[in-house]
Amino acid sequence: AQTVTQSQPEMSVQEAETVTLSCTYDTSESDYYLFWYKQPPSRQMILVIRQEAYKQQNATENRFSVNFQKAAKSFSLKISDSQLGDAAMYFCAYRLPNYGGSQGNLIFGKGTKLSVKP
Amino acid sequence: DGGITQSPKYLFRKEGQNVTLSCEQNLNHDAMYWYRQDPGQGLRLIYYSQIVNDFQKGDIAEGYSVSREKKESFPLTVTSAQKNPTAFYLCASSIEGRGNNEQFFGPGTRLTVL
Repeated sequence: AQTVTQSQPEMSVQEAETVTLSCTYDTSESDYYLFWYKQPPSRQMILVIRQEAYKQQNATENRFSVNFQKAAKSFSLKISDSQLGDAAMYFCAYRLPNYGGSQGNLIFGKGTKLSVKP
Repeated sequence: DGGITQSPKYLFRKEGQNVTLSCEQNLNHDAMYWYRQDPGQGLRLIYYSQIVNDFQKGDIAEGYSVSREKKESFPLTVTSAQKNPTAFYLCASSIEGRGNNEQFFGPGTRLTVL
């Protein structure tokens, strides 16, 4: 079974600094997708960034970027120039394509709570 | 504006009662999902539906039931068989249940058993 592990329950970063959140996953598949979701205090889940496993280039979305290491099954999120609004729970998620009997559903890690200090 | 609505925002239930959580989307998405979130846990899949009139059990379906009679609606019933129903429930939808399609989430319903 696929699993997603976020080893850092809590992290803290100074405003304007950079922070990296870790995520590892376990799978025997070669084709899959990875996501980072943000859940602020409002509890609304928001997609931050996504990565297709077949793409070697790391995804980037403004201040958010990932370090995708397929062989190591690692998918870390880097937040640059941290802002107070970045404070939230961050969830890493894994998904198989929906074919060949796969459900294609998201499997989530337990999350990392990020605090941003002014 | 397109989006997903969930109601009510807060729900209180007495033990032994069934309650139904509403989820509606106007995004014209085919796939819809129900997740449960507990403190210190990620989201766990309860049920999902790839198309109208069809749905599948997720990882923790026991004590829950769903229906998908309309494309835009996917209500979740928490039955008295669910032993520990107090949790935060999130509904989501996606264009189709495959690939890298983003899942869009509703604002959630907080269910408390009294």
